[in-house]
Amino acid sequence: GAGVSQSPSNKVTEKGKDVELRCDPISGHTALYWYRQRLGQGLEFLIYFQGNSAPDKSGLPSDRFSAERTGESVSTLTIQRTQQEDSAVYLCASSLELRASDEQFFGPGTRLTVL
Amino acid sequence: AQRVTQPEKLLSVFKGAPVELKCNYSYSGSPELFWYVQYSRQRLQLLLRHISRESIKGFTADLNKGETSFHLKKPFAQEEDSAMYYCALDGMNSGYSTLTFGKGTMLLVSP
Repeated sequence: GAGVSQSPSNKVTEKGKDVELRCDPISGHTALYWYRQRLGQGLEFLIYFQGNSAPDKSGLPSDRFSAERTGESVSTLTIQRTQQEDSAVYLCASSLELRASDEQFFGPGTRLTVL
Repeated sequence: AQRVTQPEKLLSVFKGAPVELKCNYSYSGSPELFWYVQYSRQRLQLLLRHISRESIKGFTADLNKGETSFHLKKPFAQEEDSAMYYCALDGMNSGYSTLTFGKGTMLLVSP
């Protein structure tokens, strides 16, 4: 069906608030990835899921960041007590399997602005 | 650690001119290299990968392990090539796939 979708497309929040970003991967894709792109920077890898499992959380910037995935489908990235440096575009991608040879399909991103 | 360097933030050329977008990488093993492109108001998408040795939209990229480079080339640029281009490396750290991206190069092709 449709490609990777993300919601909301834009989110403006106040410093200190919690936010939740959602990603709907392509149906049947077992691997899911979260990236962050801050202004003037490249895409920064945050976390990946194989199925519902995220074996390596070391890419998350701080303990304020967490992510989960359920039903081998939807994933949410939660940022607690947001800071201004969290302002960025958060991209989600999915691929058929967790292999370098499998193309990662990207969503449109969520633009987060922390005031 | 793996790293991807794209030295040019902006590359501006005239239509019909040759284009070379530079990409250098740092990785101790045998990486897989990719070029992703993001056209205005569109999502990031795969342009080509070195393992396929293909030409997409007239673009080619050759992996040079000696120079640790994966430059993207096109002999005659078109206006529709204007976009943001990202070079990416997949080092298969610990057996799983994660992409390390460069900061990107904006290509502007003027008429």
